[in-house]
Amino acid sequence: AQRVTQPEKLLSVFKGAPVELKCNYSYSGSPELFWYVQYSRQRLQLLLRHISRESIKGFTADLNKGETSFHLKKPFAQEEDSAMYYCALRSGGSNYKLTFGKGTLLTVNP
Amino acid sequence: SQTIHQWPATLVQPVGSPLSLECTVEGTSNPNLYWYRQAAGRGLQLLFYSVGIGQISSEVPQNLSASRPQDRQFILSSKKLLLSDSGFYLCAWSLIGELFFGEGSRLTVL
Repeated sequence: AQRVTQPEKLLSVFKGAPVELKCNYSYSGSPELFWYVQYSRQRLQLLLRHISRESIKGFTADLNKGETSFHLKKPFAQEEDSAMYYCALRSGGSNYKLTFGKGTLLTVNP
Repeated sequence: SQTIHQWPATLVQPVGSPLSLECTVEGTSNPNLYWYRQAAGRGLQLLFYSVGIGQISSEVPQNLSASRPQDRQFILSSKKLLLSDSGFYLCAWSLIGELFFGEGSRLTVL
């Protein structure tokens, strides 16, 4: 069975500091991983996916199959990055079922 | 463009009463549809998903049921609510691996 672990419920950093939100997974197949974000009073939305290999709002995430990790990183955090972040893993097949971690609430202080 | 609507946004119900949450998607045909529950400290839990009319898969045993009477309509129901059914319920549809979420329905069972 697949599982996604986000070890930090809360993460607080100062503006301009680097930030890393941790995500580890367990899955027997070839994983497809995502980061979703929920800003205050907004819908949960996709931030980035590992197959795109792109940087969104300054965030990047690299899939490390050896360490089974997909950590989200940003070199210089901004106050508007404060939000709830969820790591998610897609199981195989066409149903596009996503398994989510428990989420990390990021607070960027001025 | 595709949109997703769910209602009601907020609901307060007594224990033992029935429940019906509705979700509709516009602008797409034959979407995969999902019901998730978001609880503090527990993350996002997949409750049901549907790949077509009348096709419902349940992920966890519980007091809830789901139905898909039309292609773009997904309903979450209960005959008798429990206190533990309180939470934030999210409907979503998927396209090429990405999930698009509704605004959510907050259910409080008293």
